[in-house]
Amino acid sequence: GAVVSQHPSRVICKSGTSVKIECRSLDFQATTMFWYRQFPKQSLMLMATSNEGSKATYEQGVEKDKFLINHASLTLSTLTVTSAHPEDSSFYICSAYRPTNEKLFFGSGTQLSVL
Amino acid sequence: GENVEQHPSTLSVQEGDSAVIKCTYSDSASNYFPWYKQELGKRPQLIIDIRSNVGEKKDQRIAVTLNKTAKHFSLHITETQPEDSAVYFCAARANNLFFGTGTRLTVIP
Repeated sequence: GAVVSQHPSRVICKSGTSVKIECRSLDFQATTMFWYRQFPKQSLMLMATSNEGSKATYEQGVEKDKFLINHASLTLSTLTVTSAHPEDSSFYICSAYRPTNEKLFFGSGTQLSVL
Repeated sequence: GENVEQHPSTLSVQEGDSAVIKCTYSDSASNYFPWYKQELGKRPQLIIDIRSNVGEKKDQRIAVTLNKTAKHFSLHITETQPEDSAVYFCAARANNLFFGTGTRLTVIP
């Protein structure tokens, strides 16, 4: 199957700092990538849809100025959590849409812990 | 947006028995319904999917059924094995993919 790489897998940071998470589709071009947030024992909540070369579309309740998304190329999308606070601690997962078979492939996730 | 409900939230079965997980969706425009298996701390893995032009799909021990009229779809796992233990998510897509709340399946050896 297709490969989506997400880095880092785990990050611990101090409150007030910014954290960047990268999501790469390694063997296909992804015009659309998605960012999800998952709390322990809960489902994946869609945060935003990232389209290559255009602004991301954020779901209701997600602060676009706090969660900056950049999709500068067909294989890379980044999520930057700005001025992180403890309540931002969560598991963040990206996914990339492969148009040739219309399937979604997930990154391995990033566990963010804000102290 | 789409609203996907999933039941049950937890399910325990004896090894060898069948497991059924049910989902409903709200957006009649949804036309793609994947199921994902997620082990603790790992990425969701697609296990089977079905499109709205098909009523049933089977892949070895796993099958999915879709009732478009009632807007519900189900995952069926037969001859369950301990390695089937995981959290399973259904999802529905019209424009974006929205997930159900998940079912924690435990297969008891």
